[in-house]
Amino acid sequence: AQKITQTQPGMFVQEKEAVTLDCTYDTSDPSYGLFWYKQPSSGEMIFLIYQGSYDQQNATEGRYSLNFQKARKSANLVISASQLGDSAMYFCAMREGLRNTPLVFGKGTRLSVIA
Amino acid sequence: DTEVTQTPKHLVMGMTNKKSLKCEQHMGHRAMYWYKQKAKKPPELMFVYSYEKLSINESVPSRFSPECPNSSLLNLHLHALQPEDSALYLCASSQPREGLYQPQHFGDGTRLSIL
Repeated sequence: AQKITQTQPGMFVQEKEAVTLDCTYDTSDPSYGLFWYKQPSSGEMIFLIYQGSYDQQNATEGRYSLNFQKARKSANLVISASQLGDSAMYFCAMREGLRNTPLVFGKGTRLSVIA
Repeated sequence: DTEVTQTPKHLVMGMTNKKSLKCEQHMGHRAMYWYKQKAKKPPELMFVYSYEKLSINESVPSRFSPECPNSSLLNLHLHALQPEDSALYLCASSQPREGLYQPQHFGDGTRLSIL
């Protein structure tokens, strides 16, 4: 079974608008961390934002925020005021447990920002 | 600029060649990773080193041979590769301490083409 599901292969958004990228996850471990990465066409994976399973508040980092709904097992990324430079592949990833277990990635969503 | 440096950025090699990919980080991280990423797919974990010891090998063929000479360096030795090994190879590092918030920091990757 997929541990991380990203159902949107591609998304388009108008410049300066907000966009939500969906991510649902599956785990029975009460301790887990959720991460979002951005991958431009150059290839580098850029860490954006993190949400821990015990965090009470949704994470925010500048224009990025994470809409964490634990009961629904969803961790959607919200990008506000989209910029042309936001066009990239976005991956949701999860680590389970308190030990240094590897990241498990979703299949990604390609975001295209239109001028 | 990334804090994880990978060289070379591009590599073209024949199936009988021997080459090495190099990764260096100076963030004091003691866990380092190799990932393989095919086009339009998420990264797939290959190897994990923790405190310079190989801790995870995801059943990678022996034509890929990792090496961690010290806490800052990670190499991937390549020999007798196949055309299907053409991919982007990503190196990452993180702190191996127990705890959920251990984001992995990635390099720009090496784009490998096997002729």
